[in-house]
Amino acid sequence: DSGVTQTPKHLITATGQRVTLRCSPRSGDLSVYWYQQSLDQGLQFLIQYYNGEERAKGNILERFSAQQFPDLHSELNLSSLELGDSALYFCASSGGSGTEAYEQYFGPGTRLTVT
Amino acid sequence: QQPVQSPQAVILREGEDAVINCSSSKALYSVHWYRQKHGEAPVFLMILLKGGEQKGHDKISASFNEKKQQSSLYLTASQLSYSGTYFCGTEILTDSWGKLQFGAGTQVVVTP
Repeated sequence: DSGVTQTPKHLITATGQRVTLRCSPRSGDLSVYWYQQSLDQGLQFLIQYYNGEERAKGNILERFSAQQFPDLHSELNLSSLELGDSALYFCASSGGSGTEAYEQYFGPGTRLTVT
Repeated sequence: QQPVQSPQAVILREGEDAVINCSSSKALYSVHWYRQKHGEAPVFLMILLKGGEQKGHDKISASFNEKKQQSSLYLTASQLSYSGTYFCGTEILTDSWGKLQFGAGTQVVVTP
């Protein structure tokens, strides 16, 4: 158990809908990362937040947005869903000092199926 | 910018050794290694921050050649529990801190 929690575990929704994925980082971790994993694209970095501020952006679609709240939990919002958005969405967190600050610990993921 | 991993897959008998390579076309700040078992989240193995540094985790170790922008993961005396897909994640020197680009993964199967 990495200490990172994600809800829900599974999500099935229709095209065009909007969903929100939630992530709680390990206790004390200030950084939260979102990744998308699909069979054809592999593990793709989406976005990173550090202590409430957006730190880095990857291949995140405009239909997707994220935020990190004062209690450090984060939400990933996916809207106007398409079949191709079906994937595993992982949240990871990191914190500590020295090299520990770079170690990312992944949550169990949310499996999104768009029908 | 995605690093290239090789081989794509390897099948080992328990006790055998294997090497997984990860190379980038960009100058790297760090290389991270993760293992993912089917249906589970990636699990952090180790991070290499300096060129030429080797790190170890049980009988799994790694090296990082900063000049060649390459890293290798060494599975020594493999155990059944080593089975899974291994990913390298790279942080490019000129990119944002924490932004990892992952390779396509190397599937490792260890048989009795």
